[in-house]
Amino acid sequence: DQQVKQNSPSLSVQEGRISILNCDYTNSMFDYFLWYKKYPAEGPTFLISISSIKDKNEDGRFTVFLNKSAKHLSLHIVPSQPGDSAVYFCAAAYSNTGNQFYFGTGTSLTVIP
Amino acid sequence: DAGVIQSPRHEVTEMGQEVTLRCKPISGHNSLFWYRQTMMRGLELLIYFNNNVPIDDSGMPEDRFSAKMPNASFSTLKIQPSEPRDSAVYFCASVWTGANSPLHFGNGTRLTVT
Repeated sequence: DQQVKQNSPSLSVQEGRISILNCDYTNSMFDYFLWYKKYPAEGPTFLISISSIKDKNEDGRFTVFLNKSAKHLSLHIVPSQPGDSAVYFCAAAYSNTGNQFYFGTGTSLTVIP
Repeated sequence: DAGVIQSPRHEVTEMGQEVTLRCKPISGHNSLFWYRQTMMRGLELLIYFNNNVPIDDSGMPEDRFSAKMPNASFSTLKIQPSEPRDSAVYFCASVWTGANSPLHFGNGTRLTVT
């Protein structure tokens, strides 16, 4: 049973426009959420995170939004750049398991120049 | 910081052979995770250790899979005997489980079992 779901396997966006990647989770006990970016032949790299006490966290072009009532997480990239083309994984964790991390299946983003 | 180091990067073996994947976590991290990446399940957690002790191995697919962490700086994932369906990319990751901290991943081992 997948506790973290990314229902869009792929997304294409024009350079300069906004990319919105979505993620849903089922366990209301999750209190820490993360986005990772993965290039081919490399490991996932941490991008941005948000604690459950917040509903928004921003880092440069990347913003993560958390809607706890809907159990929904999104990542906004503005403006999108060709170098952003990668697979994006969302992840969730809850502290009482020593930060066991649950990952979605990933969304492949292509930014078209 | 050298990051999480995995070896080998690629492994090609024949069905029935033993395969050992290795991982060196980031110094100071107290938890280590083994993941397998598949198209259907994304990053699938196999097992994780906290302070070198296995905490949850419910993700290990079969008894053919085993993992050890003899000390804080080294872990192995062993498959014996290997099967073609084990072909995947295996990632090791580590973290300090204090305040909320992100996992740090190695670059993975691509395993091909023929």
